[in-house]
Amino acid sequence: GNSVTQMEGPVTLSEEAFLTINCTYTATGYPSLFWYVQYPGEGLQLLLKATKADDKGSNKGFEATYRKETTSFHLEKGSVQVSDSAVYFCARTPNTGNQFYFGTGTSLTVIP
Amino acid sequence: DTGVSQDPRHKITKRGQNVTFRCDPISEHNRLYWYRQTLGQGPEFLTYFQNEAQLEKSRLLSDRFSAERPKGSFSTLEIQRTEQGDSAMYLCASSSNSIRSGNTIYFGEGSWLTVV
Repeated sequence: GNSVTQMEGPVTLSEEAFLTINCTYTATGYPSLFWYVQYPGEGLQLLLKATKADDKGSNKGFEATYRKETTSFHLEKGSVQVSDSAVYFCARTPNTGNQFYFGTGTSLTVIP
Repeated sequence: DTGVSQDPRHKITKRGQNVTFRCDPISEHNRLYWYRQTLGQGPEFLTYFQNEAQLEKSRLLSDRFSAERPKGSFSTLEIQRTEQGDSAMYLCASSSNSIRSGNTIYFGEGSWLTVV
């Protein structure tokens, strides 16, 4: 299959808390993996990516490591800010064809 | 700004009317995608172009939907005889087939459609 499964939300954290949003995928082969972020009323913005096993993508304090053995790409941030409040989508490239596959999104709210 | 541009950003239309959305991809990108997103869901693939050729279409793309990319640059997505179930955000994305790009797709801001 080509599915992406991510942790259901919503997630509410206090400012400076540690964030983990789980993402697992099914694939034959080695897809590229992505995290996108969507702020209210806007399109999706690329947050980070990893193209091969054991790669770590990082951006704006967020990190995710491509784990082939667990088929996972969990998103982490050590200290969240109010401005991180958004919906986060895990995505992967297909085995064949051209449609990227997205998870259903995890809504994060960070309170002061 | 050389990102993906979509127009209009918001459209309210009466049921049964036709609507058209336009997408201008990043200039050097030869691949263009249309996705649909409803509230609380992830983007769902509609169609894909490589240059001017429409190479892939989802089953979601009913016969009321048509997409074109006549010169391999901008694209249009037309919905005929709109229904309330068409209310969604329509996202355009583009990518390059260069190895350096790592298959990354870049999204526009989206076009919100409300059918009343």
